[in-house]
Amino acid sequence: DSGVTQTPKHLITATGQRVTLRCSPRSGDLSVYWYQQSLDQGLQFLIQYYNGEERAKGNILERFSAQQFPDLHSELNLSSLELGDSALYFCASSPPSGETQYFGPGTRLLVL
Amino acid sequence: AQKVTQAQTEISVVEKEDVTLDCVYETRDTTYYLFWYKQPPSGELVFLIRRNSFDEQNEISGRYSWNFQKSTSSFNFTITASQVVDSAVYFCALMLTSGTYKYIFGTGTRLKVLA
Repeated sequence: DSGVTQTPKHLITATGQRVTLRCSPRSGDLSVYWYQQSLDQGLQFLIQYYNGEERAKGNILERFSAQQFPDLHSELNLSSLELGDSALYFCASSPPSGETQYFGPGTRLLVL
Repeated sequence: AQKVTQAQTEISVVEKEDVTLDCVYETRDTTYYLFWYKQPPSGELVFLIRRNSFDEQNEISGRYSWNFQKSTSSFNFTITASQVVDSAVYFCALMLTSGTYKYIFGTGTRLKVLA
């Protein structure tokens, strides 16, 4: 158990819908990262937050947004969902040094 | 162009053999980070190592070792005396932080360790 929790574990929804994925980092970790893993695109970095502020942005679509709250949990919002958004979404957290990352179990999203 | 190449799609070895997973990267940046991750059949992701471009010292952690060579733009990963539990997909990644932030993953190498 990495100490990083993600909810829900599985999500099935329809095209055009909006979903929110939630991540709680390990105690003491200030950074949260979001990744997407799909068959088509492989592993992709989406976005990183550090202590509530956006630190780095990767291949995140405009339909997607994220935030990190004062209690350091993070949410990834996916809207106007398309079939191609079906993927495994991982969250990771890291301590201030950034020397390592701890991954959550992932949320499997299926868009029908 | 920035790129990470893991040319070995799949490798099979017999338990106790040593195995090296190759990772070749391309970047013109002088400051960057390299990573290795493991994804076992259960699907979770496990962070293995982060190395910055100014630290070319090789790293050893138990049966795992990493060989970073700037001259050949490679960051290879060796598992000594492989075990069945090492069976997984291994990803190499490159992170660039100057200018536009970029985080580029390789396509992964599937390692099968046979008993």
